[in-house]
Amino acid sequence: KQEVTQIPAALSVPEGENLVLNCSFTDSAIYNLQWFRQDPGKGLTSLLLIQSSQREQTSGRLNASLDKSSGRSTLYIAASQPGDSATYLCAVKDSGYALNFGKGTSLLVTP
Amino acid sequence: GAVVSQHPSRVICKSGTSVKIECRSLDFQATTMFWYRQFPKQSLMLMATSNEGSKATYEQGVEKDKFLINHASLTLSTLTVTSAHPEDSSFYICSASGRADTQYFGPGTRLTVL
Repeated sequence: KQEVTQIPAALSVPEGENLVLNCSFTDSAIYNLQWFRQDPGKGLTSLLLIQSSQREQTSGRLNASLDKSSGRSTLYIAASQPGDSATYLCAVKDSGYALNFGKGTSLLVTP
Repeated sequence: GAVVSQHPSRVICKSGTSVKIECRSLDFQATTMFWYRQFPKQSLMLMATSNEGSKATYEQGVEKDKFLINHASLTLSTLTVTSAHPEDSSFYICSASGRADTQYFGPGTRLTVL
């Protein structure tokens, strides 16, 4: 069964810093990997989706990389802002329909 | 496009009552809908997968008689928590998938059972 782990569980940084969130998964036979943002008590907002054949995806200040063979993905956030404060979830899709989620990294960006 | 709504956003009920949560795809036809549950500081756990017009497929450990799922149309799925108890209190999130196989998530429903 696919297991997804996210490190760190929580992170607090001052505004303007660049930061990296980590995601690892146990079964490298994945279909794609997706990063989501979740604000407190809210649903999920999709940030980036990387297909298994891709190495990275970029959207604005966000860059996600995928190393399928080692079972790792990173989400890089450049020039962090207080509005980036949220929980970031990594989800892996394997052969089935289901998404396998990590527990998330809770990010706080302080002014 | 690709908007999914859930209703209600919050519900508080007494122990032993049943609660129905609706999930709607507003601007696309969802051939498959998924129901997830999220406990505080935990990851989303898939409860069941439903295809329109078919019985839902439940994940291991999820009681199908307690969590009734109906997917009667291509835009609506419902989750009914029967005889709810305090341990059923959680955040329930649905997602919907059309032909492109991408899942679009609803805003979630916070259930509190007293």
